[in-house]
Amino acid sequence: KQEVTQIPAALSVPEGENLVLNCSFTDSAIYNLQWFRQDPGKGLTSLLLIQSSQREQTSGRLNASLDKSSGRSTLYIAASQPGDSATYLCAVANSGNTPLVFGKGTRLSVIA
Amino acid sequence: DAGVIQSPRHEVTEMGQEVTLRCKPISGHDYLFWYRQTMMRGLELLIYFNNNVPIDDSGMPEDRFSAKMPNASFSTLKIQPSEPRDSAVYFCASSLDNSRGYTFGSGTRLTVV
Repeated sequence: KQEVTQIPAALSVPEGENLVLNCSFTDSAIYNLQWFRQDPGKGLTSLLLIQSSQREQTSGRLNASLDKSSGRSTLYIAASQPGDSATYLCAVANSGNTPLVFGKGTRLSVIA
Repeated sequence: DAGVIQSPRHEVTEMGQEVTLRCKPISGHDYLFWYRQTMMRGLELLIYFNNNVPIDDSGMPEDRFSAKMPNASFSTLKIQPSEPRDSAVYFCASSLDNSRGYTFGSGTRLTVV
C-alpha cells in the first residue's frame, strides 16, 4: 500500500527566504506526483504535476523535482512571500487508473 | 463553471443523528471522489465513482457510511448513525481523469457532539 510522508509538518520562515518542502513515498512505481496548496477553510488547488518520466516541473517561483528511484520529491519556493502561507500537500498516483494518495501536508508560514 | 459545489459548509449534529453531505461535480467530469481530512490521518479516500458507478469503497470506515451518485450531477455521503469520531472535514472532488486534474470543493466541516 502506497504511503506518502511529508516533513516537516510545519515550517515558519521570514519573507524573501528560499525554502524546500519534502515528500517521500514508499512505492517508487508511481504514475505521477502532484503538489497541491490548501488555504485555511478551503479546498485543494493543484500547483504542479510531474509525470513519472519527468524529473521536474516549474511554475513561476515554484519548482518541483522527482527522484523516483529514491521515492522522493521536493517543492522549492523561491523568494517566499506572506501570500505563500498555506498548507502544501503532496500526492501520488500509482497508475493512470488509481486515485491519488495524499501526504498529511506541510503547513507553511511566511512572516513579513 | 462554478466548480465543485458542496453543501452544507458546516454541520453540527448530535451523536446518533443522520448526516447527509452533498456534492455537485463539474459538468462533464467522469470521476467523483469523497475524501475525509483530519489532523491525525490527513486526507483519506473514502470512495470514488466513475460514470456514476462506485468503483472502490474500501476506504469507507464502516457500515454507518454510505454514498450514492444517482446521476452525473449529484452525489451524497450519508452517515447513520453519526458518532463524535466522525468529526472531520469531508471533501468532494471531480475530474476527467482518475489520476490527475482533480478539482476540489470547499469541503463540509462536520462536528458530531
